[in-house]
Amino acid sequence: GAVVSQHPSRVICKSGTSVKIECRSLDFQATTMFWYRQFPKQSLMLMATSNEGSKATYEQGVEKDKFLINHASLTLSTLTVTSAHPEDSSFYICSARWGPEAFFGQGTRLTVV
Amino acid sequence: QKEVEQNSGPLSVPEGAIASLNCTYSDRGSQSFFWYRQYSGKSPELIMFIYSNGDKEDGRFTAQLNKASQYVSLLIRDSQPSDSATYLCAVRNTDKLIFGTGTRLQVFP
Repeated sequence: GAVVSQHPSRVICKSGTSVKIECRSLDFQATTMFWYRQFPKQSLMLMATSNEGSKATYEQGVEKDKFLINHASLTLSTLTVTSAHPEDSSFYICSARWGPEAFFGQGTRLTVV
Repeated sequence: QKEVEQNSGPLSVPEGAIASLNCTYSDRGSQSFFWYRQYSGKSPELIMFIYSNGDKEDGRFTAQLNKASQYVSLLIRDSQPSDSATYLCAVRNTDKLIFGTGTRLQVFP
């Protein structure tokens, strides 16, 4: 199967700072990537669809100015959590579609203190 | 009504038994259906996907789809303790993959 690499796997940041998470498709080109957030004991919630070369499409209730998504190449999408607050602490996961399947990155555990 | 619904469990089965996991979805236009396994603290791993009504088998796993009833299930035969995890049902309509809340499976020796 295809490989999606996400970095970093864990990050702790201070309240008010920004954090960037990278998602790379290693062996295929992904024109579309997806960003999810998962709180403890809850399911994956789709935050936004990242489209190469164009603006991301955000799901209802997700602040686009807070969660900045950039998909500058066919193999890289980034999610920047701006002015992070403790309530942003969560597990962030990216995925990319290859054929009929969606492959997931390893996830990033963000803790805002 | 949630788009994809699953019983949160936990579903407890003895080792060697068949585990049956169920999922219903609300959008009749949904095109494809996926089962993922997620261990605690890890990202989901794909078990299998199904498009057409009926059964699809892959090793110990069988996915069943009934579009008329908007129902998809996953059977795990000869359950092992290593199968203990949360099983996520996901439904695709256009390009988005929408997940259910997951069912926690516990397989005890």
